Amino acid sequence: GQNIDQPTEMTATEGAIVQINCTYQTSGFNGLFWYQQHAGEAPTFLSYNVLDGLEEKGRFSSFLSRSKGYSYLLLKELQMKDSASYLCAVHDYKLSFGAGTTVTVRA
Amino acid sequence: DAGVIQSPRHEVTEMGQEVTLRCKPISGHDYLFWYRQTMMRGLELLIYFNNNVPIDDSGMPEDRFSAKMPNASFSTLKIQPSEPRDSAVYFCASSSGTSGTEVYNEQFFGPGTRLTVL
Repeated sequence: GQNIDQPTEMTATEGAIVQINCTYQTSGFNGLFWYQQHAGEAPTFLSYNVLDGLEEKGRFSSFLSRSKGYSYLLLKELQMKDSASYLCAVHDYKLSFGAGTTVTVRA
Repeated sequence: DAGVIQSPRHEVTEMGQEVTLRCKPISGHDYLFWYRQTMMRGLELLIYFNNNVPIDDSGMPEDRFSAKMPNASFSTLKIQPSEPRDSAVYFCASSSGTSGTEVYNEQFFGPGTRLTVL
């Protein structure tokens, strides 16, 4: 089976940095994804890691350690529009999602 | 392109009724996914198709749920009979990834159908 854990909520100030952690225990591993979902909207793809290390895409970076079953999503220079839910998802034989972390950015 | 189109956007029905959700994927995409999202269970992959053929339906909760893809531009998710615990937002997504993991980082989601079963 799959077990994917991430914090429920995080709050940060505009312009700051926030790190969202995700730990997983799955029967297999073919990649880890991060999605962003604004309230009332559909998820959108943010990042993908299949090898250990850091992937950087603008203000967003994602890190993976397969041996530790651990990933994080780093959001830099936070903006109000970054207030959303961030979903960690692991692909073993299918895609399984964590419950999501709601990030609130305050002025 | 108009993106993934889902209908209806909202559906309210009574327990025991049949519900049909519809999806039109992005033209040229050969993978189609159906997801369900609830507060309790989060986002769950129900089933996905490749070239109109169901590949993995292990996420379909029970026999009351069925999905079809009669052609490359249309899919349905049917619940019969519906129950209050089926209340959720149902998303359809499509992608044109060649295979394996790539299809997930290329998928585009529709706006969802919010289903309420009374």
